[in-house]
Amino acid sequence: LAKTTQPISMDSYEGQEVNITCSHNNIATNDYITWYQQFPSQGPRFIIQGYKTKVTNEVASLFIPADRKSSTLSLPRVSLSDTAVYYCLVGDIGNTGFQKLVFGTGTRLLVSP
Amino acid sequence: DAGITQSPRYKITETGRQVTLMCHQTWSHSYMFWYRQDLGHGLRLIYYSAAADITDKGEVPDGYVVSRSKTENFPLTLESATRSQTSVYFCASSESEAFGELFFGEGSRLTVL
Repeated sequence: LAKTTQPISMDSYEGQEVNITCSHNNIATNDYITWYQQFPSQGPRFIIQGYKTKVTNEVASLFIPADRKSSTLSLPRVSLSDTAVYYCLVGDIGNTGFQKLVFGTGTRLLVSP
Repeated sequence: DAGITQSPRYKITETGRQVTLMCHQTWSHSYMFWYRQDLGHGLRLIYYSAAADITDKGEVPDGYVVSRSKTENFPLTLESATRSQTSVYFCASSESEAFGELFFGEGSRLTVL
């Protein structure tokens, strides 16, 4: 059973705002929601993390509704360099009782001029 | 230099051979992870470790063995490599089980002929 579900791909143009939504219907009470960015031939890089409501940092905002069954990563005014794969991630309790961090399928964002 | 390093970065081997991918982190993070990423796919968790001598299976553990005798090292061994294990392998570490900020290595590209 997939932990998270995201759109496979999205297209945008420079200067636009991009919103990527992730569905996580089975999120547990103590799970945080984290988003990563990955460029080709590189490891993923942390973007933002949240538990509920809204979180904002210098690169993105994360919106989480009250039921926490989904979340939306918002990238303001994207540029060509934002072309990457974006992953939504929530925790999952393993056999040892500790969280194992499982990635979703990712959303491939293509930003065009 | 501080960080997380993987070795080798590139490896070509033959079916049936044993291969060990090394991962070393200098932050003393408790949690370490191994992921594999196949062309066009997202990251899949192989094994993870919550502390020295504590490991647990991820999504795709078959054919892999891990150990964690020291906090800073988390080697991944393919005991008898198969062509289906051709992939890019990423090691990651995290300070906390609850917070999903993972720090990734640069990846090890393994080709099994």
